[in-house]
Amino acid sequence: DAGVIQSPRHEVTEMGQEVTLRCKPISGHNSLFWYRQTMMRGLELLIYFNNNVPIDDSGMPEDRFSAKMPNASFSTLKIQPSEPRDSAVYFCASSRGAANYGYTFGSGTRLTVV
Amino acid sequence: QQPVQSPQAVILREGEDAVINCSSSKALYSVHWYRQKHGEAPVFLMILLKGGEQKGHEKISASFNEKKQQSSLYLTASQLSYSGTYFCGIPIQGAQKLVFGQGTRLTINP
Repeated sequence: DAGVIQSPRHEVTEMGQEVTLRCKPISGHNSLFWYRQTMMRGLELLIYFNNNVPIDDSGMPEDRFSAKMPNASFSTLKIQPSEPRDSAVYFCASSRGAANYGYTFGSGTRLTVV
Repeated sequence: QQPVQSPQAVILREGEDAVINCSSSKALYSVHWYRQKHGEAPVFLMILLKGGEQKGHEKISASFNEKKQQSSLYLTASQLSYSGTYFCGIPIQGAQKLVFGQGTRLTINP
């Protein structure tokens, strides 16, 4: 089991550019979550999917953020256009989807927008 | 809706014990605990599902009191490897959507 795989590990981009973060969940996990972590706000849930369907995107900060899950093994989080305040570590996590299962987090993508 | 953790930070010597608390203003049905080491991802430790339930992971155990709407994490005879930030997470709206506390930074010194 390779765990949850995220790419890239680090991304530095200029303000206004489009950024795409990628995630491959653990096979057999039917729930996927995107979190953002900053010192000021801690771990914030942005959006989550069940069986590839977006269930709750109330944490997505603005229309500049969008997420997709075209199949059970791949998800993307896109920021367009990016702003310096988007700088954070973005984690993807997956779970079996039942209440008594924990989340497995990916290694995260450290995004810096300059 | 965010659970409140206390204390915010703890500094221990190796072998000492610590307790980390997690409280919610709303009814709790379950509590997750995670540990995050610096520069790494959070790692799942355990879930508590029932009132009064206790669980253990290594020398780390936890309790869950539904009536008091709180959970406590107990670290016994702490080891250097226990250093990190501990987060509790609670499901919102009876769903899998977890809201995490602000974290408790634990530092273990030799």
